[in-house]
Amino acid sequence: AQSVAQPEDQVNVAEGNPLTVKCTYSVSGNPYLFWYVQYPNRGLQFLLKYITGDNLVKGSYGFEAEFNKSQTSFHLKKPSALVSDSALYFCALERGSQGNLIFGKGTKLSVKP
Amino acid sequence: GAGVSQSPSNKVTEKGKDVELRCDPISGHTALYWYRQRLGQGLEFLIYFQGNSAPDKSGLPSDRFSAERTGESVSTLTIQRTQQEDSAVYLCASSLRAHNYGYTFGSGTRLTVV
Repeated sequence: AQSVAQPEDQVNVAEGNPLTVKCTYSVSGNPYLFWYVQYPNRGLQFLLKYITGDNLVKGSYGFEAEFNKSQTSFHLKKPSALVSDSALYFCALERGSQGNLIFGKGTKLSVKP
Repeated sequence: GAGVSQSPSNKVTEKGKDVELRCDPISGHTALYWYRQRLGQGLEFLIYFQGNSAPDKSGLPSDRFSAERTGESVSTLTIQRTQQEDSAVYLCASSLRAHNYGYTFGSGTRLTVV
């Protein structure tokens, strides 16, 4: 069965420090992986996606994610966190050829000044 | 339109009543999705429309839930005989094509069943 796991409910980071939000997946075949961000009282916004090619994917707001096939991971990273990055982050996997995404439970990122 | 529009933004209803939620996707987006987000939880897939194909209803939690979409336009999600456990934010998203494209989400409808 295809699934996405975000092992951390919350990640706390000091402003200016690097951040990592973890995601692992399980899928038969090639995965299509996505990251979305949800700010308070707002809808989800697309950050980045991995379809094929370079394992390091760059996205919006300075975020990037590294696809690691051997570890079945797609961790979200940013070199220097901002307080404004505080939000709920969702990793998602495209389910086969049918197009709908399976979302992880989400990780709350809190960046303190 | 410029984005995915959902209405109403908030809905409070009495247990047992029917509710209808509306989603207006981005013009030209062939794929449309409904998800449910309960408080403090992740997104739960409900239903997916792709063009004129038969919808994927595999995520609908019960026969009280149904959705329609005419062509590539507006979609409505109907919940009959609402229960308190239906309280959640219902999110709609559309996509230019079904595969490999990111979704654009609406702001959601917050449904509260009292």
